[in-house]
Amino acid sequence: DAKTTQPPSMDCAEGRAANLPCNHSTISGNEYVYWYRQIHSQGPQYIIHGLKNNETNEMASLIITEDRKSSTLILPHATLRDTAVYYCIVRSTRSGNTGKLIFGQGTTLQVKP
Amino acid sequence: ETGVTQSPTHLIKTRGQQVTLRCSSQSGHNTVSWYQQALGQGPQFIFQYYREEENGRGNFPPRFSGLQFPNYSSELNVNALELDDSALYLCASSPGLDYGYTFGSGTRLTVV
Repeated sequence: DAKTTQPPSMDCAEGRAANLPCNHSTISGNEYVYWYRQIHSQGPQYIIHGLKNNETNEMASLIITEDRKSSTLILPHATLRDTAVYYCIVRSTRSGNTGKLIFGQGTTLQVKP
Repeated sequence: ETGVTQSPTHLIKTRGQQVTLRCSSQSGHNTVSWYQQALGQGPQFIFQYYREEENGRGNFPPRFSGLQFPNYSSELNVNALELDDSALYLCASSPGLDYGYTFGSGTRLTVV
């Protein structure tokens, strides 16, 4: 079973920031938080990942709470092309673990003009 | 660098038949995973290969099998196809067990 909880859907106005929450209250110390998104009929696309510090790249920012029980993915200026299903995943990279990704239902983000 | 390439993109098979799906990993990636995504669901992990050895398997029956070749390309084989096997099959490669995955665009399999 997925170890994360996400709202099933969210709307965002084009040009505004999209803030996608994720709850991972059972996360353990060696598990990273990964975000992927999937645009209709395509393979999932990696966005960002982090362990405990906030992370930023050219696509998004990831804010992880101090207790690591939740996180927020921020798309600073959403465009219509950001409409997709966003998956929050906790993944262990402990030696000997497969590091497989366990996808939940994700959040369907609809960016509106 | 090239991405992950899957073939074919679409496929229609009859119940009871066998199918082979192929995946060419991204250059330098020695780890490949396969996922099944039914309509409206998130991808489900089938199995993973690391340096030609299977090193993890999800809750799929033995009629789902795979191979990874010395050049790290991979195959997913499904025997005795069932209607419920209709799905998007995704291949993902990684440079190692501790790294992120790059996904292909998938093969859409329809079993009739």
